[in-house]
Amino acid sequence: DIQMTQSPSTLPASVGDTVTITCRASQSLNDWLAWYQQKPGKAPSLLLYKVSHLETGVPSRFGGSGSGAEFTLTISSLQPDDFATYYCQQYNTSPWTFGQGTKVEIK
Amino acid sequence: QVQLQESGPGLVKPSQTLSLTCTVSGGSISTGGYHWSWIRQHPGQGLEWIGHTYHSAIHYNPSLQSRVTISVDMSKNQFSLKLSSVTAADTAVYFCAGYLMGAGGRGAWGQGTLVTVSS
Repeated sequence: DIQMTQSPSTLPASVGDTVTITCRASQSLNDWLAWYQQKPGKAPSLLLYKVSHLETGVPSRFGGSGSGAEFTLTISSLQPDDFATYYCQQYNTSPWTFGQGTKVEIK
Repeated sequence: QVQLQESGPGLVKPSQTLSLTCTVSGGSISTGGYHWSWIRQHPGQGLEWIGHTYHSAIHYNPSLQSRVTISVDMSKNQFSLKLSSVTAADTAVYFCAGYLMGAGGRGAWGQGTLVTVSS
């Protein structure tokens, strides 16, 4: 199985900050990497697919980068609505796997 | 864009079989390219992929493989999940999702349904 190591697990931040979340895979993903945002009681919502492709309707302050087995999610100018938990997911190889999640919380 | 909705019992007794259905609307489940998937989330924890089906292939999470069955009913535009011999450790929110791999893995998720295993 491909292991996904996401860090940090918690990220204290303030409105206006730029934050970065890292996801490392145990092997190359051929760019089959997605990022999700989840709020309490809701289903995860797709932010980015294929590493850096922004889902329709997602603000441009969300950005994804990386290649091979190391990827980052950057949120520029953090907004109040962005305080949530973020997950990476690899869908290159079954079993598909998720990172452990990063909770972006108010500092 | 397709929309998905989970349905099924919210309470299952230990040792019984958990059965959930995902109804797909806004498109045909027989349309090629979608990986129809089940994912679960234990209370307060992260996401766990259960398995998916596409075309005639099915893949399961090895940790659940001995107890899981995913199937498709094209006549009803639904796919389903069965998890046998459940215990309290199977208490979770269960999501169905469709990933359109030809579009980079974009797709849709259901809202999720909480299944509690308790006597």
